[in-house]
Amino acid sequence: AQSVTQPDIHITVSEGASLELRCNYSYGATPYLFWYVQSPGQGLQLLLKYFSGDTLVQGIKGFEAEFKRSQSSFNLRKPSVHWSDAAEYFCAVGALGYGGSQGNLIFGKGTKLSVKP
Amino acid sequence: SQTIHQWPATLVQPVGSPLSLECTVEGTSNPNLYWYRQAAGRGLQLLFYSIGIDQISSEVPQNLSASRPQDRQFILSSKKLLLSDSGFYLCAWNLEVLNNSPLHFGNGTRLTVT
Repeated sequence: AQSVTQPDIHITVSEGASLELRCNYSYGATPYLFWYVQSPGQGLQLLLKYFSGDTLVQGIKGFEAEFKRSQSSFNLRKPSVHWSDAAEYFCAVGALGYGGSQGNLIFGKGTKLSVKP
Repeated sequence: SQTIHQWPATLVQPVGSPLSLECTVEGTSNPNLYWYRQAAGRGLQLLFYSIGIDQISSEVPQNLSASRPQDRQFILSSKKLLLSDSGFYLCAWNLEVLNNSPLHFGNGTRLTVT
């Protein structure tokens, strides 16, 4: 069965420092991968997505993610974190059948990012 | 452009009372619609999804139900709430999945069952 693991529950970085949030997935075929961000009390906003092609994908707000098939990973990165990036980040993989009869996603449990001034 | 609306934003209900949460999508037609529940530290759990009017699939057996009386309207209901129903409920939509459309979420409803 598909699954998504985000090993870090909570990460704290200093403003201006680089960031990498880890995501590992379990999926038998080429996955559809997503990163979402959630501010407190809000819905989820799509940061970026990977379906195929270039393994380094660019997203909004200066984020990027790299798909590594050999490591079953899709880590999210940002070179310089801003205080406004403090939020919870969710990695997701398309459920079995995604792209066919279903469109739902399987989410990791999230990583909460705190930013120190 | 497409927008999604959820209401109410917050809700406090006693155990045993009924529930009705509503979600509507504007600016598109025949969307796929989803209800997720988010509990603290547990990520997002898919509750229901719908690919068309009156076509509802349930992912988790429980005392909740969903209905889609109109193309762009998705309702989450319960006849009798349990304490364990507390959580953050998110509605989402996407388009024809062959286009690999990502999910777009509403702002959620915070439900507290007392």
